[in-house]
Amino acid sequence: EPEVTQTPSHQVTQMGQEVILRCVPISNHLYFYWYRQILGQKVEFLVSFYNNEISEKSEIFDDQFSVERPDGSNFTLKIRSTKLEDSAMYFCASSEQGGSYNSPLHFGNGTRLTVT
Amino acid sequence: AQSVTQLGSHVSVSEGALVLLRCNYSSSVPPYLFWYVQYPNQGLQLLLKYTTGATLVKGINGFEAEFKKSETSFHLTKPSAHMSDAAEYFCAVSPQGAQKLVFGQGTRLTINP
Repeated sequence: EPEVTQTPSHQVTQMGQEVILRCVPISNHLYFYWYRQILGQKVEFLVSFYNNEISEKSEIFDDQFSVERPDGSNFTLKIRSTKLEDSAMYFCASSEQGGSYNSPLHFGNGTRLTVT
Repeated sequence: AQSVTQLGSHVSVSEGALVLLRCNYSSSVPPYLFWYVQYPNQGLQLLLKYTTGATLVKGINGFEAEFKKSETSFHLTKPSAHMSDAAEYFCAVSPQGAQKLVFGQGTRLTINP
């Protein structure tokens, strides 16, 4: 069964550094998402992306965050200047159609980001 | 804003016993409702969803959930627990027409032999 793959599985970075989290969505999917889960807290929506632009974003997704689909297969989340509070598990997801009710979100295994 | 509350961050049951994981939501209109499961070192996997129609929905691995509008609940059940059911379970809601999911805090299910 096709999978969403995320790399790396664990990323350690120093505060203030830029970090890029990478995802390869399922090939025929058109909608892409990033969620995060701070340890012990809820899974939170960050951003959704369709047709090469952001379609929805949360208040967490400030100017320090950006997303990009640099080629036909990858979907990346960039954090420009990491803060300690950015430490979390970041999940990428994709869906065939838009709207969570239309088609289920397929999640990757996550990238654990640790900011020191 | 919509929110989801899962009662009990940890639930422990014996193998073969009933599994009941509780989920309540707050919303001015009935949202779409979902249960996801996360096995260790894996991503979130959809168990089942309710959008419209029959209020009792069946999912994978023998799980089912019932939407009760009067109680704003969407509890997840399984008649007989199996060791392989040990995982973290997340209830989520989505405003109708929206793309994003709003998750509960998760319930870790432990199965005792």
